[in-house]
Amino acid sequence: QSLLTQPPSASETPGQRVTISCSGSSPNIGSNTVNWYQQFPGTAPKLLIYNNNQRPSGVPDRFSGSKSGTSASLAISGLQSEDEADYYCAAWDDSLKGWLFGGGTMLTVL
Amino acid sequence: EVQLLESGGGLVQPGGSLRLSCVASGFTFSSYAMHWVRQAPGKGLEWISGISGTGGSTYYADSVKGRITISRDNSKNTLYLRMSSLRVEYSAVYYCAKGLAATPQYYAVDVWGQGTTVTVSS
Repeated sequence: QSLLTQPPSASETPGQRVTISCSGSSPNIGSNTVNWYQQFPGTAPKLLIYNNNQRPSGVPDRFSGSKSGTSASLAISGLQSEDEADYYCAAWDDSLKGWLFGGGTMLTVL
Repeated sequence: EVQLLESGGGLVQPGGSLRLSCVASGFTFSSYAMHWVRQAPGKGLEWISGISGTGGSTYYADSVKGRITISRDNSKNTLYLRMSSLRVEYSAVYYCAKGLAATPQYYAVDVWGQGTTVTVSS
């Protein structure tokens, strides 16, 4: 059971907006920035958001991230069928001296 | 283009040992931290180890501490993961990944290899 808690699944229809939450605690999200990864079945993860809300080059601005206190969120607007994937949050934990990943959220585009 | 190519996975018996390698190209290898992240079949991502650009600092997840050793050879642009006393639950795809900075702490992983599969079974 991960110390970063994500809902196991989320779903929304094309064109709509969906948010995925990530709940942590003081030593991790409360003290450090949050990153988000996208993973399609059978492939390696891809960095989607870093430093809470920064997008790497090539990531559409439909994807956005935010953080407040010990929680973070990933929002996807203008949902497309190709956004159907697993999404993971991650943060460094100062107490454990290691990286934590959330359990992952499987996004279904209805 | 930044590329990471893992190798060394395979079938190993419980209690056995294995060394994974990851050859990097397309960036100044010694300037960046490197990590190993694994994913068991049907499960989520689990960070297991990170190493600084110089190799002077290493970090391990509690779940694997004492059973794995991360190292790097900057002259060969290669990252290693030595695993021993392997357990069935260590079966997973092992990804090599590049950090955004020289320290493995705080900064995201931005590039991932394609992964190498380790199966621990008798």
